[in-house]
Amino acid sequence: KNQVEQSPQSLIILEGKNCTLQCNYTVSPFSNLRWYKQDTGRGPVSLTIMTFSENTKSNGRYTATLDADTKQSSLHITASQLSDSASYICVVPYGGSQGNLIFGKGTKLSVKP
Amino acid sequence: DGGITQSPKYLFRKEGQNVTLSCEQNLNHDAMYWYRQDPGQGLRLIYYSQIVNDFQKGDIAEGYSVSREKKESFPLTVTSAQKNPTAFYLCASRPDNRVRRNQPQHFGDGTRLSIL
Repeated sequence: KNQVEQSPQSLIILEGKNCTLQCNYTVSPFSNLRWYKQDTGRGPVSLTIMTFSENTKSNGRYTATLDADTKQSSLHITASQLSDSASYICVVPYGGSQGNLIFGKGTKLSVKP
Repeated sequence: DGGITQSPKYLFRKEGQNVTLSCEQNLNHDAMYWYRQDPGQGLRLIYYSQIVNDFQKGDIAEGYSVSREKKESFPLTVTSAQKNPTAFYLCASRPDNRVRRNQPQHFGDGTRLSIL
């Protein structure tokens, strides 16, 4: 069964600290994995797309990793800011169509001052 | 700036009433999507359209209907047959050609639908 599972479900950290969010997937065949950030009451915004051949990709303070062998991805946030408080969603296409996506339930991150 | 506009931001439905959620994009994207988001759950696909005048059911299409008469517009109607319509509805679009296949979906800012 095609699935995307994220952990932890929620996370609270202090401003300035680092954190890592996890995503495990069982989608096959695999082509790419996406991380989105969703602020409360807003639509998700794409942070990064990892293709099969990519191991690490950075977008500012966000660094995503992908291990296609173990079917795991992580999103590392460095020097967190209050504006990082949001839900982070892992997404994987399935069925050979880039439009059909499986969404994880997300990790809700709260950054406290 | 190009983007996706959803309206209204908040919507209330009475029993037995149909309501229509608007989604407009000026990104010149071919494909458009409607998702439903419930607390603690991943987004679920309601309907999608890859070309004008054509659309396909997603995983939870029952109680919903759509139309795609123009490339820019993909309205969603929540009918009275949808018994649990309270949710956050998100519209998305994506270019759907081989050259830009790995482009991410762009999302609107959603419509929150509640029952009166």
